[in-house]
Amino acid sequence: DSGVTQTPKHLITATGQRVTLRCSPRSGDLSVYWYQQSLDQGLQFLIQYYNGEERAKGNILERFSAQQFPDLHSELNLSSLELGDSALYFCASSVAAFSYEQYFGPGTRLTVT
Amino acid sequence: AQSVTQLGSHVSVSEGALVLLRCNYSSSVPPYLFWYVQYPNQGLQLLLKYTTGATLVKGINGFEAEFKKSETSFHLTKPSAHMSDAAEYFCAVSDKSGGSNYKLTFGKGTLLTVNP
Repeated sequence: DSGVTQTPKHLITATGQRVTLRCSPRSGDLSVYWYQQSLDQGLQFLIQYYNGEERAKGNILERFSAQQFPDLHSELNLSSLELGDSALYFCASSVAAFSYEQYFGPGTRLTVT
Repeated sequence: AQSVTQLGSHVSVSEGALVLLRCNYSSSVPPYLFWYVQYPNQGLQLLLKYTTGATLVKGINGFEAEFKKSETSFHLTKPSAHMSDAAEYFCAVSDKSGGSNYKLTFGKGTLLTVNP
């Protein structure tokens, strides 16, 4: 158990809908990272927040957005969902803003029908 | 830009046999290199990492990897496979880029099957 929690575990929704994925980092960690894992694209970095501020952006679509709250939990919002957004979404956390040693949560499996 | 190539999307070994999972990287700066393991229905877990210093690094569960700069490789090995090693393994690279942000770039993963 990495100490990173993600909810929900599974999410099934229809095309065009909007969902919110939640992540709570390990106690003491200030950075949160979001990744998308799909069969065709593999594991891709989406976005990073540190202590409430956006730090780095990867291959995140404009339909996706994220934020980190004062209690350090983070939410990833996915809107206008398409079939291709079906994937496993991981959250990871680390202590520092610039850290390569990241601890991953169990993931949220999103299925868009 | 950095990239990671894992040779072989699926590797099958017998219990007790040598495990060798291959990883090659490309990076414009000296990289940091990692191996992560993902067990079924779980998140990724850090197996081992190379940052600086000794090029042979030891990780958890008896795994080790050697950084070979001349070959731009970071292959993962374990002398004797155990059934519990069956999982997907990801090689990743990170460097300081775009304003000192440490982003991980992952390979496509190698699924390790261990046969009794």
